[in-house]
Amino acid sequence: KAGVTQTPRYLIKTRGQQVTLSCSPISGHRSVSWYQQTPGQGLQFLFEYFSETQRNKGNFPGRFSGRQFSNSRSEMNVSTLELGDSALYLCASSPRQGPPYGYTFGSGTRLTVV
Amino acid sequence: AQSVTQPDIHITVSEGASLELRCNYSYGATPYLFWYVQSPGQGLQLLLKYFSGDTLVQGIKGFEAEFKRSQSSFNLRKPSVHWSDAAEYFCAVGTRGGADGLTFGKGTHLIIQP
Repeated sequence: KAGVTQTPRYLIKTRGQQVTLSCSPISGHRSVSWYQQTPGQGLQFLFEYFSETQRNKGNFPGRFSGRQFSNSRSEMNVSTLELGDSALYLCASSPRQGPPYGYTFGSGTRLTVV
Repeated sequence: AQSVTQPDIHITVSEGASLELRCNYSYGATPYLFWYVQSPGQGLQLLLKYFSGDTLVQGIKGFEAEFKRSQSSFNLRKPSVHWSDAAEYFCAVGTRGGADGLTFGKGTHLIIQP
């Protein structure tokens, strides 16, 4: 059974640009969550999608957005990139919404903003 | 809002010795508790989780954790560590409905001495 696939693995962008990250969940999983990991702030919850709808959202500015497609694949977009957006972005999939079903994480996308 | 504290930033253990990583949480109701491990440049791998029932939980790679409600703790243990256990360990708490996703501790960096 394939795991959670995140693409690309690495990205370098310039301040002010926008970026789109992709996540393909485990087959049959319908929930996708996104997290940002930085050395200073640690792991922080961005948002969770289930059945193409954003169900939960963390405390991030509106520059961070996402969506989920009918096949459960999800994309995350960051507009007007800032240096502080440099981070490892992790995607997690779950059979259904919420923690009781557990989360399986991908290997992440390393974003560097210069 | 819930929170997680991992008091030890770094822990050094000799190979073959026992290990205990501490985790304290703050949440008003019964939490969903997780331990994840992260190797450099990788995503998070689930070691074990606690939702309800038996307070001693067995996980993968020989790890176990004990939920103690009176102490708001969920400490991770392993009777004999291997050099391959060197990694970053994260404790996380989730709430019913998953409104804030998983809240992670800052992590404990485990170093294994030969």
